[in-house]
Amino acid sequence: NAGVTQTPKFQVLKTGQSMTLQCAQDMNHEYMSWYRQDPGMGLRLIHYSVGAGITDQGEVPNGYNVSRSTTEDFPLRLLSAAPSQTSVYFCASSYPQGAGTEAFFGQGTRLTVV
Amino acid sequence: SQQGEEDPQALSIQEGENATMNCSYKTSINNLQWYRQNSGRGLVHLILIRSNEREKHSGRLRVTLDTSKKSSSLLITASRAADTASYFCATGNQGGSEKLVFGKGTKLTVNP
Repeated sequence: NAGVTQTPKFQVLKTGQSMTLQCAQDMNHEYMSWYRQDPGMGLRLIHYSVGAGITDQGEVPNGYNVSRSTTEDFPLRLLSAAPSQTSVYFCASSYPQGAGTEAFFGQGTRLTVV
Repeated sequence: SQQGEEDPQALSIQEGENATMNCSYKTSINNLQWYRQNSGRGLVHLILIRSNEREKHSGRLRVTLDTSKKSSSLLITASRAADTASYFCATGNQGGSEKLVFGKGTKLTVNP
């Protein structure tokens, strides 16, 4: 199994450009999430989804947009990139079961906005 | 805002020694999870402990949870150079892990 796949691995954007970070999982997980990781920080939740057609905001949603048209894919869109969005982005998936289950993470996308 | 705070922020030990990392959190939780992140890589799940559990083992890992103190600890016994990584605690809710709240992590260096 590939697990959670993120593309691209690296990206440089100019301020004001838009782009989409791709995330796909092949584990048939209902839940998917996007996090960002900044130096010296843990991961912070941007947006999440509990199923196709259902998304919600996390802790730091401003400047990002998501949609979930299929169970497998959960793209993250940067509407107008800003230097403050320079970060490493991680996508994760999990399934609901009882008192909690583990999350599976992709390898990350390192984004630099100049 | 960050839920967990790991302590220490950085830890350097010799191979064969034990490593202990602590995590404190702020609100009630359903479960607490520990993840490892090797440099430049994604996070890998290590262990999950539920709020009604006090201790859990997995190989060389031992996790404790004290809900009255809102704290958890991760012990890695007989450490190896390959254990060098950053370790994060994350609090989760019932069901899936779509809304994990992470601490800032402990950077562990195991010297050969």
